[in-house]
Amino acid sequence: DAGITQSPRHKVTETGTPVTLRCHQTENHRYMYWYRQDPGHGLRLIHYSYGVKDTDKGEVSDGYSVSRSKTEDFLLTLESATSSQTSVYFCAISEYGVREKLFFGSGTQLSVL
Amino acid sequence: KQEVTQIPAALSVPEGENLVLNCSFTDSAIYNLQWFRQDPGKGLTSLLLIQSSQREQTSGRLNASLDKSSGRSTLYIAASQPGDSATYLCAVPRSNDYKLSFGAGTTVTVRA
Repeated sequence: DAGITQSPRHKVTETGTPVTLRCHQTENHRYMYWYRQDPGHGLRLIHYSYGVKDTDKGEVSDGYSVSRSKTEDFLLTLESATSSQTSVYFCAISEYGVREKLFFGSGTQLSVL
Repeated sequence: KQEVTQIPAALSVPEGENLVLNCSFTDSAIYNLQWFRQDPGKGLTSLLLIQSSQREQTSGRLNASLDKSSGRSTLYIAASQPGDSATYLCAVPRSNDYKLSFGAGTTVTVRA
């Protein structure tokens, strides 16, 4: 299994509070992605990174920011959490973007009350 | 815009039966196509990746075919087992920016 660790695994927070999710990889892959998975919407890309300090928006990036200061870490921040951001968040990695297989972490279940 | 559809949404079969899962996409100018498996409460595991130049890809009991011109891929799972019970998703890169578009998945139950 690819070495991807997401933390925390579960989090409950209140509306309006900031939240940071962490993705850590030991594979030295260039590309890292944040997805959210919701019933009825499937998997949707939030942000992705193609190198240290190189990031770009996905299809549902509003309300989210990311940072990648090291190859192995990709952080997703909800500046002011809303109930609509209750979801399961997955991190994924790949060496050559979508030209090869993506490897996913185990996910973070986030509940915003 | 690339749209990916998987039909049926759910499938229940007795153990030993062969499984046929379908994936269709609207933009045939794809780079490749991936099939994933997701177990409840878990992340996705990539099963097979078919390059656009390939017609099929095989791994053990799994075989995936690709017909770009008709916008379809099929995942075959031979001699199904209860351990094959999971949700299977397909994904293709969008032609304009190469980000993946996922289907909603087919949830498979294999009855012992």
